[in-house]
Amino acid sequence: DTEVTQTPKHLVMGMTNKKSLKCEQHMGHRAMYWYKQKAKKPPELMFVYSYEKLSINESVPSRFSPECPNSSLLNLHLHALQPEDSALYLCASSRRRGAGSDTQYFGPGTRLTVL
Amino acid sequence: EDKVVQSPLSLVVHEGDTVTLNCSYEVTNFRSLLWYKQEKKAPTFLFMLTSSGIEKKSGRLSSILDKKELFSILNITATQTGDSAVYLCAVSPWYTNAGKSTFGDGTTLTVKP
Repeated sequence: DTEVTQTPKHLVMGMTNKKSLKCEQHMGHRAMYWYKQKAKKPPELMFVYSYEKLSINESVPSRFSPECPNSSLLNLHLHALQPEDSALYLCASSRRRGAGSDTQYFGPGTRLTVL
Repeated sequence: EDKVVQSPLSLVVHEGDTVTLNCSYEVTNFRSLLWYKQEKKAPTFLFMLTSSGIEKKSGRLSSILDKKELFSILNITATQTGDSAVYLCAVSPWYTNAGKSTFGDGTTLTVKP
């Protein structure tokens, strides 16, 4: 199983809402990532979890709050977002070490619209 | 700061043509260069290159890395309409924690019938 799943596929939220994005993988990967991708731009790294601990936070605003409850799950909690946060949010996973640890497997993404 | 530049930014060809996509990079402590294909949603992995001069091949796609000149090329022969996508190049440095890849802006390939 080389699949990363993400829910929901689409999300529309107001600026005062609280919502969460979910990501799951069962490949035994111990590194998981959140990316934000705007139209016609490459993915921008937001967070990296390594062995369920946050290892990289790319100066992301606190209205985005990641959580890694176990080795298969990754959440991104959203609160008080701005319209400019509208984007495709991609989750990815990879091996933590060894051959191929740079290869990331991406989920299909959540298309987020903030009104 | 690590940097990845892809060229051309966009390319329109006809089915059967051969295309070459370019990726140049500047990265501290280079470890690997990766190519991904992105259609409507998630990027999908194509190749990972770590050594100079060794061609990786998968069907009509091939890629090679030159660590001296700091670039890679992705070749697609006998293009098909299904090859239409954005092709992303990313570089990963040696890093104490899980990988922090830097992506290029991508090359948008359109293959016309």
